[in-house]
Amino acid sequence: GAVVSQHPSRVICKSGTSVKIECRSLDFQATTMFWYRQFPKQSLMLMATSNEGSKATYEQGVEKDKFLINHASLTLSTLTVTSAHPEDSSFYICSARAGGGDTQYFGPGTRLTVL
Amino acid sequence: GNSVTQMEGPVTLSEEAFLTINCTYTATGYPSLFWYVQYPGEGLQLLLKATKADDKGSNKGFEATYRKETTSFHLEKGSVQVSDSAVYFCALRTLAGSARQLTFGSGTQLTVLP
Repeated sequence: GAVVSQHPSRVICKSGTSVKIECRSLDFQATTMFWYRQFPKQSLMLMATSNEGSKATYEQGVEKDKFLINHASLTLSTLTVTSAHPEDSSFYICSARAGGGDTQYFGPGTRLTVL
Repeated sequence: GNSVTQMEGPVTLSEEAFLTINCTYTATGYPSLFWYVQYPGEGLQLLLKATKADDKGSNKGFEATYRKETTSFHLEKGSVQVSDSAVYFCALRTLAGSARQLTFGSGTQLTVLP
């Protein structure tokens, strides 16, 4: 099946710094990518949806200036957590969907810890 | 709005035991229903789905039936294996709104002991 990778798998950073997480579709072109956040023992919460070449659509309550999403190509989307704080510590998961397709393929997630 | 309520875990079973993970939902319109599985260190994978009432999704010995009258989509397997140890997520998707988004339950950790 289709493969989606995320990098890094884990990152620890100091409060106030910015962190970039990459999401790549390895064997298909992802016209739409989704970014989720998951707190321990809770659901995956959709943060934003991005279409290649367009601005991301953010869910209510998600700060677009804090969580910068770039979907510059059909195989790469990035999430940058700017000026990270301890409350941003979480598990971030991306998924990708091919144009015209109905199935989302998920990455393995990135564990962010902000000290 | 849409929501999915899943049986809380963790669930620990012996090999060859019967598995049920309960899932109920609230949705506007007529959702499609899904079960995803996440093995350690990997991304979520679609396990099975059902798109309309009374449909039964099945895969790898797992089954779930779309019950509109009880708004449920319980996951079952007759005989679990150690390799089934993973986190299982129930999810729904409606066509209402944008992007055909998925709404997930909180996940149920399953551990199968040899």
